[in-house]
Amino acid sequence: KAGVTQTPRYLIKTRGQQVTLSCSPISGHRSVSWYQQTPGQGLQFLFEYFSETQRNKGNFPGRFSGRQFSNSRSEMNVSTLELGDSALYLCASLGGSNEKLFFGSGTQLSVL
Amino acid sequence: AQSVTQLDSQVPVFEEAPVELRCNYSSSVSVYLFWYVQYPNQGLQLLLKYLSGSTLVKSINGFEAEFNKSQTSFHLRKPSVHISDTAEYFCGDTNAGKSTFGDGTTLTVKP
Repeated sequence: KAGVTQTPRYLIKTRGQQVTLSCSPISGHRSVSWYQQTPGQGLQFLFEYFSETQRNKGNFPGRFSGRQFSNSRSEMNVSTLELGDSALYLCASLGGSNEKLFFGSGTQLSVL
Repeated sequence: AQSVTQLDSQVPVFEEAPVELRCNYSSSVSVYLFWYVQYPNQGLQLLLKYLSGSTLVKSINGFEAEFNKSQTSFHLRKPSVHISDTAEYFCGDTNAGKSTFGDGTTLTVKP
């Protein structure tokens, strides 16, 4: 099986712009969750989608949004980018009943 | 509420020495506990997990962790580390699709 695929791998944006990140989960996995990783804050949970519905949400502002399509692929959108949004954004899909997360390699976002 | 605390941000050790990376969790519900490892420029990979049953769980590369309910701990140990174990390690718990991670522990193995 192919692993979790995130695109793009690197992204550079300027303040005020918006960005869309993509995540393709492992085939058959219906849950996709997103995390923000920064040196100062560690791994922070953004949200989780299951069967096209947001099932869980972390404590991020409304500028951070997501969606999931019928094929389980997910996108995350960040509007009005701020310098502090610079981070590695990780996507993970959840398979089976053992709560094991499979992570992608992440998208490194730099906001200038 | 879930919360996971990793007590050490940096752990430097010499090759072939034992190591312990400490993790405490706080949850009022049943938990699934994990250790993930992140090598440079890569995503996280599951190292080992505790769901139920035996409180001592082991990975294929020599790491082990013990679930201690009375101390709410899930410390990761390895009796003899290798240079290739240098990485960042995350302790986490998962409940109904939402995972909470500690801030990570950077293990640096020196020759």
